[in-house]
Amino acid sequence: TQLLEQSPQFLSIQEGENLTVYCNSSSVFSSLQWYRQEPGEGPVLLVTVVTGGEVKKLKRLTFQFGDARKDSSLHITAAQPGDTGLYLCAHRTSGTYKYIFGTGTRLKVLA
Amino acid sequence: SAVISQKPSRDICQRGTSLTIQCQVDSQVTMMFWYRQQPGQSLTLIATANQGSEATYESGFVIDKFPISRPNLTFSTLTVSNMSPEDSSIYLCSVERTGDGGYTFGSGTRLTVV
Repeated sequence: TQLLEQSPQFLSIQEGENLTVYCNSSSVFSSLQWYRQEPGEGPVLLVTVVTGGEVKKLKRLTFQFGDARKDSSLHITAAQPGDTGLYLCAHRTSGTYKYIFGTGTRLKVLA
Repeated sequence: SAVISQKPSRDICQRGTSLTIQCQVDSQVTMMFWYRQQPGQSLTLIATANQGSEATYESGFVIDKFPISRPNLTFSTLTVSNMSPEDSSIYLCSVERTGDGGYTFGSGTRLTVV
């Protein structure tokens, strides 16, 4: 099983601050997804990264896939209270349709 | 992408009873996936449900405790049987997205066992 370790586990910041969340593994991935889960909801897919070194932007969110495709980061610029939630990285286990999820980063943005 | 309706959204149940969770997808899908999210934790796959065959369970999960039905290509149920407080979790169903990978999830069922 390819484990996905996320850091930090918890993060509480003030509105307007920047932050970065990391997703790391010892294994190489063909692709990796990032999700956000708000209270009372299921996770919602934010982005899929596929190519080593790839950078994708979604408004104030910047996602990067490591050159060796073993790690990824999510950077949020000028965080807002609406960014509050659980951020999860995930990948599909090779040869299956099953996805394994990271340990999660719980973000709280204070107004 | 597909839209999933999951119900109930939450329930409080007595220990020893069973609860059946339903997921309805607005399109036909080959596989549906059931996950458990324990309080403050990430998601753990319980089983994969294929239409017309028995569900495939992950290590640590058994059919007697979590029976699954998949009567057609748009619907599945997960039953949590003989519940104990340790079963208190969020239960989520999902289907694989077409094209960009990843899953679409239902909104989850928050189960509390007292």
